[in-house]
Amino acid sequence: DADVTQTPRNRITKTGKRIMLECSQTKGHDRMYWYRQDPGLGLRLIYYSFDVKDINKGEISDGYSVSRQAQAKFSLSLESAIPNQTALYFCATSEQTGSYNEQFFGPGTRLTVL
Amino acid sequence: GEDVEQSLFLSVREGDSSVINCTYTDSSSTYLYWYKQEPGAGLQLLTYIFSNMDMKQDQRLTVLLNKKDKHLSLRIADTQTGDSAIYFCAESITGFQKLVFGTGTRLLVSP
Repeated sequence: DADVTQTPRNRITKTGKRIMLECSQTKGHDRMYWYRQDPGLGLRLIYYSFDVKDINKGEISDGYSVSRQAQAKFSLSLESAIPNQTALYFCATSEQTGSYNEQFFGPGTRLTVL
Repeated sequence: GEDVEQSLFLSVREGDSSVINCTYTDSSSTYLYWYKQEPGAGLQLLTYIFSNMDMKQDQRLTVLLNKKDKHLSLRIADTQTGDSAIYFCAESITGFQKLVFGTGTRLLVSP
């Protein structure tokens, strides 16, 4: 079984709709991250959480919100989706160690906003 | 500020060596990483190098780090069609506890 899972894997929605992307992990890691991937732009960090009570904005948090329901679960919401939020979204986890930061990624959610 | 740049595309023939380059701007980087993304999948760590090293070799992979020029490269020897993927470099910076990823290089290996 995969250590980091994301649901749904694909989603098509319309402008203005509320969307939630979910991430679960069985690695027992405290740290969780949400990224979006766009061609030619690489991965950009949306939000990150170092434990259940610690949530931080990344470089592109506008238009997004997150919820850390438990150590194992980290959800990303788009309150009112817009077409330029069409992208591939990844969740990742990592252990709390010094400055070495190996991150483990889920398979991604492809979101299309029409 | 943090900025990591890569060329977008590289095409090689099977059996040749591939060299993927990366430049970064933050001199306080502690670790630098190479991640591989296969089609339809998430990223997986391929290898990493600590900032006080110049070179690291792991089977067909060689990582070179030039701290003076802030340049990182990944050499894949005897490239195979299964190496076709997107390769991302990333840096972790002391005190920031997060990774900054490059733009990704799509490697296409033709038979």
